[in-house]
Parts: sequence; structure tokens; C-alpha cells
Amino acid sequence: DTGVSQNPRHKITKRGQNVTFRCDPISEHNRLYWYRQTLGQGPEFLTYFQNEAQLEKSRLLSDRFSAERPKGSFSTLEIQRTEQGDSAMYLCASSAKGTDTQYFGPGTRLTVL
Amino acid sequence: SQQGEEDPQALSIQEGENATMNCSYKTSINNLQWYRQNSGRGLVHLILIRSNEREKHSGRLRVTLDTSKKSSSLLITASRAADTASYFCATVTGANNLFFGTGTRLTVIP
Repeated sequence: DTGVSQNPRHKITKRGQNVTFRCDPISEHNRLYWYRQTLGQGPEFLTYFQNEAQLEKSRLLSDRFSAERPKGSFSTLEIQRTEQGDSAMYLCASSAKGTDTQYFGPGTRLTVL
Repeated sequence: SQQGEEDPQALSIQEGENATMNCSYKTSINNLQWYRQNSGRGLVHLILIRSNEREKHSGRLRVTLDTSKKSSSLLITASRAADTASYFCATVTGANNLFFGTGTRLTVIP
């Protein structure tokens, strides 16, 4: 399968702990996006990479959130000092250069107790 | 805040009937896209319509775009039970990120 993959699929953590999620985009897609989706809502944009450069960050991305894409391939999203309000599905998507269609991974569901 | 807003929030129809969902948005766009999300699964891209297009077809899907009213509609013809899902419109403005609406939950009854 050559789609977008995300790991882990589920993460349960205690409030105050740090968590890290990984996204592997479709090979050769130079753009990578992170979104967050809460129950009953549409996804909300968090941040966007073109190759290894982080070009845009949403105001939703507080100082506790950091994302990297060091070699322009996979990306990680880290949440420090998790809060119960961070509980959500974290979605990753990628797109090819010159196209607007984004391909989404299955998501990582985070539960903060 | 969410860019788009879908209407209705929920729709229930019999298999074989047509389903129409509407989307309104707030600012100028480059393009508008529709996505489907099945329960517990990821988002799947359905169709993209650019700001200079008015109508587009893909299989049983028909999308219209009215930029003067800042609205779009998605028509699914001859619905099937497998079409049961949540449908989201998403807009692209100057940046490349998608702004999603709140979604329409479609239930197709066999």
C-alpha cells in the first residue's frame, strides 16, 4: 500500500505527558499537512510543510505543539504537557507538487486522561 | 474558524434516491473540494472544482459552484448503502491548506 500512513493509530496518555506522532506521506509528495479533528466537526488545519520547510502554522498550534519534517519525507508532530482538550484525531495529508488534491492518512486518535 | 458550512447537518434517504448537500463559505477561494469520511476511516477526496468552473461531474457525483453566492452543492445520484458517510466541503484560498466545513451526515437506507 503506497498511501499515507500514520503511527500510532491510537494513543492514550495521561495529562501532562508528552506524545509524538509520525506521518509517512505518499512517496515523492513534497507537501505535507497536519490537521486535527474533534468529534462531530470537520478537520482543522494545524500546519503545512513544503519539503522540509514549515511554511504555515495555524493559531491553533500552541507553543506546546511542534512539528518537524527533517529530511522532507516523514514528519513528526509532538505535543508537550498534554491537556484533556488535546484529545482528538490527528490527521496527516500529503499532496504532489503542482496539485491541490490532498491524500489523507487514517489518523492517530489521541485520548488524554 | 471553519471556512465552510454544510447544509443539512444530517440527511437520510432510501437507496436509489438522489442526495443533495450544500456548502456555503465566507471568503474568495481558489478551489473547492468535497471529501467523504466513513465511520472510523480516513478522508477520501471525491472531486475538486476550481473558482472559474461552474459545474463538474465524476461518475454519480455532480458538483456546482456559485462564487457570487459563495456556495456549492454536491449531488449524489442513484444512492447506494455504501454511500453512507459524512461529506465535507473544503475550500482552498491563497495558501494550500484546506478549510473544512462541519459536514453532512448521509445515511442511505437499503
